[in-house]
Amino acid sequence: EPEVTQTPSHQVTQMGQEVILRCVPISNHLYFYWYRQILGQKVEFLVSFYNNEISEKSEIFDDQFSVERPDGSNFTLKIRSTKLEDSAMYFCASGGWTDNEQFFGPGTRLTVL
Amino acid sequence: ELKVEQNPLFLSMQEGKNYTIYCNYSTTSDRLYWYRQDPGKSLESLFVLLSNGAVKQEGRLMASLDTKARLSTLHITAAVHDLSATYFCAVDTGNQFYFGTGTSLTVIP
Repeated sequence: EPEVTQTPSHQVTQMGQEVILRCVPISNHLYFYWYRQILGQKVEFLVSFYNNEISEKSEIFDDQFSVERPDGSNFTLKIRSTKLEDSAMYFCASGGWTDNEQFFGPGTRLTVL
Repeated sequence: ELKVEQNPLFLSMQEGKNYTIYCNYSTTSDRLYWYRQDPGKSLESLFVLLSNGAVKQEGRLMASLDTKARLSTLHITAAVHDLSATYFCAVDTGNQFYFGTGTSLTVIP
């Protein structure tokens, strides 16, 4: 069964450093998303991506964040200068056409020291 | 700002009992999703509800959607320990998903 994959599973970085989180969505999906979940809290939407451009973004997704689909398979989230409060689990999701159901990857745990 | 509220936030129930988790939301939407999350894991899709009155059942779980009341329910029948997890509802506004606060369910033998 096709699934969304994410790498790395855990990333530790120093405050102020840049990180790139990688996702491989399900191959025939057209919509891609990033979410974050701070430990013990609810899942928060960051950004949605369709047709090679951002279709929606939340207030969390400020200028420090960017997304890219550098090739036909990968979907990346870049945080330019990490802050302590960026520590969270980041989930990638992808979806197809009909029912807009989103399938989530296993997540990347980002720890900013 | 759109609000998606679940109650209860924490639920401890004995095996074999029935219970309902509620998801209220503050905007017009006819698309609602339920997810399960085990500790330290990702979100597993449980139900996709796409219209008013939609009802879906899988095993001991049944979900329903009342778009007029802006309410979805997740009913648990004869709970078993394997159902212990956190359950999230998510409302689709067309552009993004808004997740509820989550309900942490513990089923006690």
